[in-house]
Amino acid sequence: QLQLQESGPRLLKPSETLSLTCSVSGDSITTDASYWGWIRQPPGKTLEWIGSITYSGYTYYNPSLKSRLTVSRDTSKNHFSLRLTSVTASDTAIYYCARQRSDSGTYFLFETWGQGTLLLVSS
Amino acid sequence: DFQMAQSPSSLSGSVGDRVTITCRASQSIKNYLNWYQQKPGEAPKLLIYGTSNLQSGVPSRFSGSGSGTDFTLTINSLQPEDFATYYCQQSYSTPPTFGQGTRLEIK
Repeated sequence: QLQLQESGPRLLKPSETLSLTCSVSGDSITTDASYWGWIRQPPGKTLEWIGSITYSGYTYYNPSLKSRLTVSRDTSKNHFSLRLTSVTASDTAIYYCARQRSDSGTYFLFETWGQGTLLLVSS
Repeated sequence: DFQMAQSPSSLSGSVGDRVTITCRASQSIKNYLNWYQQKPGEAPKLLIYGTSNLQSGVPSRFSGSGSGTDFTLTINSLQPEDFATYYCQQSYSTPPTFGQGTRLEIK
């Protein structure tokens, strides 16, 4: 059974760098045609796609975050990661990782989600 | 970015009711429209993809329709476990974007 688990800090100060890891079990992040993504949700607000990495290591970023964002992977540990620099209070959110699925040429179906981890940015 | 607008932002219903939630895209997204259900404290769950395809394990009382810019999610015969927040999401264009959500509450 596929499971995803986010890990990382709960509290950061403004200007610091966020590093989150999504540990995957029950599937390999190198499985052919698999995509793995990050989505966030500020408290009480809607969802925002952050970025994704493919089975081959190719990355897709939300243009609104691209200048501060890096998504990477460690295939030996079967996990993928998010790095977001210069965080501000507006980055306060629940951060989810997810396995994406393809359908009719799109890969942006978020089929299996981690439980999420809450990040608070505050001085 | 493609903007997604849901209506209503909240609605109430009773067990057994039929309810409809609408989602409008700022431009045509063909049929690349997906619906998610989110309960408090939980991650979203994919319900419907490609406008009308039920994700495996989702009860048949959920259905979706539409094309282009206007879409609907219908829940027939509401059950207690259906009270949640529902989000639409377009997967036609990068970045994928979500509606603001519709909170379905018990009347």
